[in-house]
Amino acid sequence: DAGVTQSPTHLIKTRGQQVTLRCSPKSGHDTVSWYQQALGQGPQFIFQYYEEEERQRGNFPDRFSGHQFPNYSSELNVNALLLGDSALYLCASSPGTEFFYNEQFFGPGTRLTVL
Amino acid sequence: AQTVTQSQPEMSVQEAETVTLSCTYDTSESDYYLFWYKQPPSRQMILVIRQEAYKQQNATENRFSVNFQKAAKSFSLKISDSQLGDAAMYFCAWPGAGSYQLTFGKGTKLSVIP
Repeated sequence: DAGVTQSPTHLIKTRGQQVTLRCSPKSGHDTVSWYQQALGQGPQFIFQYYEEEERQRGNFPDRFSGHQFPNYSSELNVNALLLGDSALYLCASSPGTEFFYNEQFFGPGTRLTVL
Repeated sequence: AQTVTQSQPEMSVQEAETVTLSCTYDTSESDYYLFWYKQPPSRQMILVIRQEAYKQQNATENRFSVNFQKAAKSFSLKISDSQLGDAAMYFCAWPGAGSYQLTFGKGTKLSVIP
């Protein structure tokens, strides 16, 4: 089992550009959550996808959008990049039911740098 | 708002000694779970231990145990016999009832001194 995988590992963009990050969940998991982790901070919840729908969204602007595919993999898109979007973006997967006690399995993250 | 507070940005411990990391949270819920996650320098976050609020007994996983004080809304992580591999960022986290998001504290960076 490969666990949760994310691509790319690192990404450098300039302000105003758009970026797409990708995540493949752990085998058997149908729920994918995305988090933004600024340097020296805890992860902040962006949104969660389940059954190809956004199930819950955190306090992030509409510039952040996502998608989940029938195979449960997911994309995070960020438009009109700002310097403040520079962060480590984490993907986490879990079974869809009983979220409140299930372990979240995290990927290694994508380091996004906006210049 | 649901909040999780870790008041120790950095901690250090001698190898083989014991260290306790603190966490407090704020909720009016009666049943919930609490988690400690570890993020080593290689970045992939892993679950260390989880505690159900209804259980009186503190959770234990090998060298890791918690001190859960429900009334005080305190959830500390104790690491016994510290090893070099324990050096990492440690995050306290909880999913609010009816919520699908994990709320994390700001983390505690643990250093292990040989």
